[in-house]
Amino acid sequence: DTGVSQDPRHKITKRGQNVTFRCDPISEHNRLYWYRQTLGQGPEFLTYFQNEAQLEKSRLLSDRFSAERPKGSFSTLEIQRTEQGDSAMYLCASSGQVRGGTQYFGPGTRLTVL
Amino acid sequence: AQTVTQSQPEMSVQEAETVTLSCTYDTSESDYYLFWYKQPPSRQMILVIRQEAYKQQNATENRFSVNFQKAAKSFSLKISDSQLGDAAMYFCAYGLQGGSEKLVFGKGTKLTVNP
Repeated sequence: DTGVSQDPRHKITKRGQNVTFRCDPISEHNRLYWYRQTLGQGPEFLTYFQNEAQLEKSRLLSDRFSAERPKGSFSTLEIQRTEQGDSAMYLCASSGQVRGGTQYFGPGTRLTVL
Repeated sequence: AQTVTQSQPEMSVQEAETVTLSCTYDTSESDYYLFWYKQPPSRQMILVIRQEAYKQQNATENRFSVNFQKAAKSFSLKISDSQLGDAAMYFCAYGLQGGSEKLVFGKGTKLTVNP
């Protein structure tokens, strides 16, 4: 049973550049979540997919952020025109068919914006 | 809006001893669930224990147990026979059974285990 995987694990970029992260959930999970975690804080919810439908978005998800899950399997999170304040760990989680199921987290992508 | 508060930024415990991490939450809902997650340094977050609000019995998982006080909105984690591998950040999280499926996390407690 493979867990949630994320790629890349680390990303360093210059301010103003675009970046894209990928998340592969546990294979039988139809729910997928993105969170952001800054230093010394707990994860904060960004967005949620059920299959390919994006059902919930946080106010934290500004118009520079876009997430997709085109075939209901892997998901991508893109940040356009990165800012230094975007530096954080971006976590992906997935859960199964049942509402309220436990969310299992991936290792995260650490973004550093110079 | 739901909030989760972990009032202990750091805790330490001697190996083989018992430690309790505190968590309180604020909600007007009656049907929800609570989690403790562990995040070791530079490693991914893993589930420690889960509690459904409708269950009166406190959840246990081997050396980990919770004290769930629904009326007080308190959800503490007890780690018995602490091991060096228990050293990590511990996050308390709240999830709603109906409505939003997001988890709301506390700021975490850093646990140090001393040999």
